[in-house]
Amino acid sequence: QSALTQPASVSGSPGQSITISCTGTSSDVGGYTLVSWYQQHPGKAPKLMLYEDNKRPSGLSNRFSGSKSGNTASLTISGLQADDDADYYCCSYAGSSTWVFGGGTKLTVL
Amino acid sequence: QVQLQQSGPGLVKPSQTLSLTCGISGDSVSSNSAAWNWIRQSPSGGLEWLGRTYYRSRWYNDYAVSVKSRISVNPDTSKNQFSLQLNSVRPEDTAVYYCARSGDRLSYAFEIWGQGTMVTVSA
Repeated sequence: QSALTQPASVSGSPGQSITISCTGTSSDVGGYTLVSWYQQHPGKAPKLMLYEDNKRPSGLSNRFSGSKSGNTASLTISGLQADDDADYYCCSYAGSSTWVFGGGTKLTVL
Repeated sequence: QVQLQQSGPGLVKPSQTLSLTCGISGDSVSSNSAAWNWIRQSPSGGLEWLGRTYYRSRWYNDYAVSVKSRISVNPDTSKNQFSLQLNSVRPEDTAVYYCARSGDRLSYAFEIWGQGTMVTVSA
């Protein structure tokens, strides 16, 4: 399987909203409601932020939301905060009990 | 709460076998609702799912096509842990390796991660 496609970087100012896209195919992103998103700070393990395209694990901020159209999923972060400065990865079920990740997007909070 | 603790060597010679272990606390490797995964992150940053083991009346394994011929993920019920073995390693296997729990509660998203182990493949 090929990695999902994400922009290398995005940026925004505190209080603004940003959106990170994640493009796959009908065999992964577009074929299942099983896209998840992860936040990773330097030197730390990834942290689950969204699952099933748009659901938040218990306790996660509602500033993080997800959507999908066709083969492209999106993560939107509203009310940007300094701590949102991190790398973000999407992941999708790819069939046959396998998973595929995106290449990652570096979010810079200006 | 569930915690995962990784152990294993940080340096492996080319053509040898990479072996890592992930100890589980707060859950059971034999859980009927969890799966136990290995994921790696290359120096360039990309994440790659490698494989998993899980128990549903019997043990199952799933592996990524890219490593299927070289990988084995095994449970150890006596120690409540699971392991990764990657054979015939080469320099491109150099990465940070993570173990992770997924489960049916969150549709098998990777909800709990180990601390990561940097493994370098070099002579």
